[in-house]
Amino acid sequence: TQTVSQSDAHVTVFEGDSVELRCNYSYGGSIYLSWYIQHHGRGLQFLLKYYSGNPVVQGVNGFEAEFSKSDSSFHLRKASVHWSDSAVYFCAVSPYTGNYKYVFGAGTRLKVIA
Amino acid sequence: DAGVTQTPRHEVAEKGQTIILKCEPVSGHNDLFWYRQTKIQGLELLSYFRSKSLMEDGGAFKDRFKAEMLNSSFSTLKIQPTEPKDSAVYLCASSLRLGGRLEQYFGPGTRLTVL
Repeated sequence: TQTVSQSDAHVTVFEGDSVELRCNYSYGGSIYLSWYIQHHGRGLQFLLKYYSGNPVVQGVNGFEAEFSKSDSSFHLRKASVHWSDSAVYFCAVSPYTGNYKYVFGAGTRLKVIA
Repeated sequence: DAGVTQTPRHEVAEKGQTIILKCEPVSGHNDLFWYRQTKIQGLELLSYFRSKSLMEDGGAFKDRFKAEMLNSSFSTLKIQPTEPKDSAVYLCASSLRLGGRLEQYFGPGTRLTVL
């Protein structure tokens, strides 16, 4: 059974700051890791994914994430945030074979102060 | 391309009523998921269809929740009878599951309030 932990429920930064949202997972097999963003009142939107190759993956709007097998982590980063990045961010894990069911973390609410 | 469509966007029901939520996935996608989202529990998987076959029936949810995939382009989630604790946002998502592309496309959700 896979689990996903997002240790920070809330993160507040100023516009232009860098930010890192943390995600740790536990799963023994090949996995597909992804990040999603949810703006208020809307569904989740895909940001980026990793399942093999370069451990640093680029996503939309300047987001990137780095996979670390040794730390069982997939942290999301942005070098310079904009007020429009304020949203809830979800990390998700899915087995890469078999049932493809996602397990989502609890989410991190990012607030960017303009 | 049209994204995932969910109707209605808002639903208010009395306790004990039957409600049906509807979802149209992205055209050509072969996986469909229903989730429930609450502040306390976060995102919980209710049902998962792979090429219209039910792969996951929601475990603890299955006694009053029933999802169906009538064809590849339409799915429903029936809650019968509704209870106040069912108040939540219900999200439908679809996925192509081809060549490593497992990302899910979510609809805007249906906000259900049970009185």
